[in-house]
Amino acid sequence: EIVLTQSPGTLSLSPGERATLSCRASQSVSNNYLAWYQQKPGQGTRLLIYAASIRATGIPDRFSGSGSGTDFTLTISRLEPEDFAVYYCQLYGTSLLTFGGGTKVEIK
Amino acid sequence: EVQLVESGGGLVQPGRSLRLSCAASGFTFDDYAMDWVRQAPGKGLEWVSGISWNSGRIGYADSVKGRFTISRDNAKNSLYLQMNSLRAEDTALYYCAKARGYSAYDELDYWGRGTLVTVSS
Repeated sequence: EIVLTQSPGTLSLSPGERATLSCRASQSVSNNYLAWYQQKPGQGTRLLIYAASIRATGIPDRFSGSGSGTDFTLTISRLEPEDFAVYYCQLYGTSLLTFGGGTKVEIK
Repeated sequence: EVQLVESGGGLVQPGRSLRLSCAASGFTFDDYAMDWVRQAPGKGLEWVSGISWNSGRIGYADSVKGRFTISRDNAKNSLYLQMNSLRAEDTALYYCAKARGYSAYDELDYWGRGTLVTVSS
């Protein structure tokens, strides 16, 4: 079973700053089947990135995903007020879908 | 507009059963896989189960295997989760989610708001 470890646990930044979130897998991820989600209290969960680097429909281009193998990154180029939320990575394409523990991006 | 509305949650005693439902609209339901994902209070997301478009492929997390059963009724645009032998650790907000593809193991592009299940005596 592949384990996903996200870091840091909390990221304290100001609007306009760049956010870099990490997701590390315990084994290599096949076909880069790695997704990123945003979760905001009372506003639900939204798919941001799939296949490690493809933006989902309607996702602003300030969000970008990169990486392969065991190391993946979600970058938010310039934080907007609505971007402060919790972000999860997810492994898919296997019989045991797995989420990382999450990174909270909070206002500094 | 895609809508996923969960129902059926509530307070239940340990060892008892509960059936969750998810009503889907705004897309061709039988073209896509569907999943259940849960979130314990103050915790992260945990995948529970997934079902392919035609119910031909089904998967479960180890934590619920043998106790939970996922099913779907394409004629009713509905997804279900039958939960038996419930435990305190099953207490969570349960989300219904639409997969981006037809497999049971795809990424999830739309999520409902969840239904709360509390297992307690």
